[in-house]
Amino acid sequence: AQTVTQSQPEMSVQEAETVTLSCTYDTSENNYYLFWYKQPPSRQMILVIRQEAYKQQNATENRFSVNFQKAAKSFSLKISDSQLGDTAMYFCASTPNSGYALNFGKGTSLLVTP
Amino acid sequence: GAGVSQSPRYKVAKRGQDVALRCDPISGHVSLFWYQQALGQGPEFLTYFQNEAQLDKSGLPSDRFFAERPEGSVSTLKIQRTQQEDSAVYLCASRLTGGTDTQYFGPGTRLTVL
Repeated sequence: AQTVTQSQPEMSVQEAETVTLSCTYDTSENNYYLFWYKQPPSRQMILVIRQEAYKQQNATENRFSVNFQKAAKSFSLKISDSQLGDTAMYFCASTPNSGYALNFGKGTSLLVTP
Repeated sequence: GAGVSQSPRYKVAKRGQDVALRCDPISGHVSLFWYQQALGQGPEFLTYFQNEAQLDKSGLPSDRFFAERPEGSVSTLKIQRTQQEDSAVYLCASRLTGGTDTQYFGPGTRLTVL
């Protein structure tokens, strides 16, 4: 089984600043996938970024990038140039290559202030 | 439609009533998932369909929970004799294939059991 831990229940950042959300996971699988999902107050869960564990290179999507440390089982999300629309719950999730269901952390509530 | 839709968006039930929650996945998506999200928590896996076949129902909390996808498209999650602990947001997600592609989530149904 895979477990995902997000140790920061709430975070705040000023507009245009950079913020990093932490995530650690535990797995016995060799191949797996990691995800960051964003859930705005409207509750539609949206994929922010995904990382395939066998890839060394950290994934990047515009202002969003990850720091994937496989040995440490760490998968943090960096948001650059934060915008008010980034205010949301952020969930880290994993799934083994042999599986299908997502295992979610408890989430980090991010507030971007003007 | 363009995305996953769910209905109703909000449901209030008296304890002991039966409820049915509907999910319309993205057209052509093979895989369909149901998750339960309690207040302040990350989503937790309930059940998984590949086409019309229910391949995994290990996350269903009790035999009061039943899900079906008879024609491999629309899915219904039914909860019989609802209890207060069933109060949660029920999220549906679909995925194009049976592999590890991205899961796309619907807006959820918020169930409140009084």
